[in-house]
Amino acid sequence: RKEVEQDPGPFNVPEGATVAFNCTYSNSASQSFFWYRQDCRKEPKLLMSVYSSGNEDGRFTAQLNRASQYISLLIRDSKLSDSATYLCVVKDPTGGFKTIFGAGTRLFVKA
Amino acid sequence: EAQVTQNPRYLITVTGKKLTVTCSQNMNHEYMSWYRQDPGLGLRQIYYSMNVEVTDKGDVPEGYKVSRKEKRNFPLILESPSPNQTSLYFCASNRGTVGDEQYFGPGTRLTVT
Repeated sequence: RKEVEQDPGPFNVPEGATVAFNCTYSNSASQSFFWYRQDCRKEPKLLMSVYSSGNEDGRFTAQLNRASQYISLLIRDSKLSDSATYLCVVKDPTGGFKTIFGAGTRLFVKA
Repeated sequence: EAQVTQNPRYLITVTGKKLTVTCSQNMNHEYMSWYRQDPGLGLRQIYYSMNVEVTDKGDVPEGYKVSRKEKRNFPLILESPSPNQTSLYFCASNRGTVGDEQYFGPGTRLTVT
């Protein structure tokens, strides 16, 4: 079983749609959770951290369910510029908080 | 400007010809890593370093070497590159605390023929 698993997609949605991505992680000791965004073959960049209480940043909402070891990202009112790959990221408390990346979910937003 | 730089950005080489990809960060970060990214496999950690002269293997270290003689630099060395090392490589740095983000370099696209 992979340490961090994501649906690879691709998700093809029209502008204005709401889309949700899910991610599961295997290590219950994981301590920090993030969503990164990666544009085509460019470097990943932090989109948002994920907290147990859930957090929102504009059109983006992230949720964490520790009991189910599950993370989600919701994008409302999708824009063309949201087209990218979204990486689920988990930190484990080993080796200086090792960072583990999911393989990513591709999103295409179409006009 | 806070950044991670990598060089070269693109490299085509032949099997067996030693090469080094440089990585430098100006944020005084303790922790640096090298990743490779291949289609369908995501980012896989090659090596990481928690401080000067402290390095350790990641998930896919075979065929690679690293060194950390200075805090800001973390070069990746391929002593004898092979075609299966053709990939997109990213260097990253972070403070090494539980909640901090990773800052990535722009990537190095390596092709070994």
